[in-house]
Amino acid sequence: GQNIDQPTEMTATEGAIVQINCTYQTSGFNGLFWYQQHAGEAPTFLSYNVLDGLEEKGRFSSFLSRSKGYSYLLLKELQMKDSASYLCAVMDSNYQLIWGAGTKLIIKP
Amino acid sequence: DVKVTQSSRYLVKRTGEKVFLECVQDMDHENMFWYRQDPGLGLRLIYFSYDVKMKEKGDIPEGYSVSREKKERFSLILESASTNQTSMYLCASRVAGEYNEQFFGPGTRLTVL
Repeated sequence: GQNIDQPTEMTATEGAIVQINCTYQTSGFNGLFWYQQHAGEAPTFLSYNVLDGLEEKGRFSSFLSRSKGYSYLLLKELQMKDSASYLCAVMDSNYQLIWGAGTKLIIKP
Repeated sequence: DVKVTQSSRYLVKRTGEKVFLECVQDMDHENMFWYRQDPGLGLRLIYFSYDVKMKEKGDIPEGYSVSREKKERFSLILESASTNQTSMYLCASRVAGEYNEQFFGPGTRLTVL
């Protein structure tokens, strides 16, 4: 079966760095997406990785290792507004998105 | 800015009722999607549409149907609502192409009593 695993919840301190992991087992791989979803709001796109390595976009970076079936989202200089759920989604060989359940990130002052 | 709107934020219906959820996007996107989001589960695809008049079943189409008569509008229909269809329903759209990001609407929280 196809499976995406993310931690259910994480807590971090304002100004710190946090890494949210995502491991996957899917039938084929055509890229991995990260979305952010604030409570009660629509998910919004953060990043897309299809090649191994780190992609940096301001305070957010996303890393992919296809051989390990692993990705992480790195958030630096955390702000209170970063409190949200972070969704990992993998596109399989049929170009369908398989979504993880999301990681709820709580930022404390 | 891309805008995806959904007809209701909250909806309460009774078992057996026919329910219509409407989604409209204003960016001329070809592809549109309907998902449901439940606690502890990832988004699950109900139906999607590559273009006007086209529809494809997703992972959980049972109990649902869709309509796409115009490019900007994608409707989800619950033919006879049941309590296990109580959920958050999210609509999304994107430019044609699997590698493109999806833009989501704010969601409709449907409660079936």
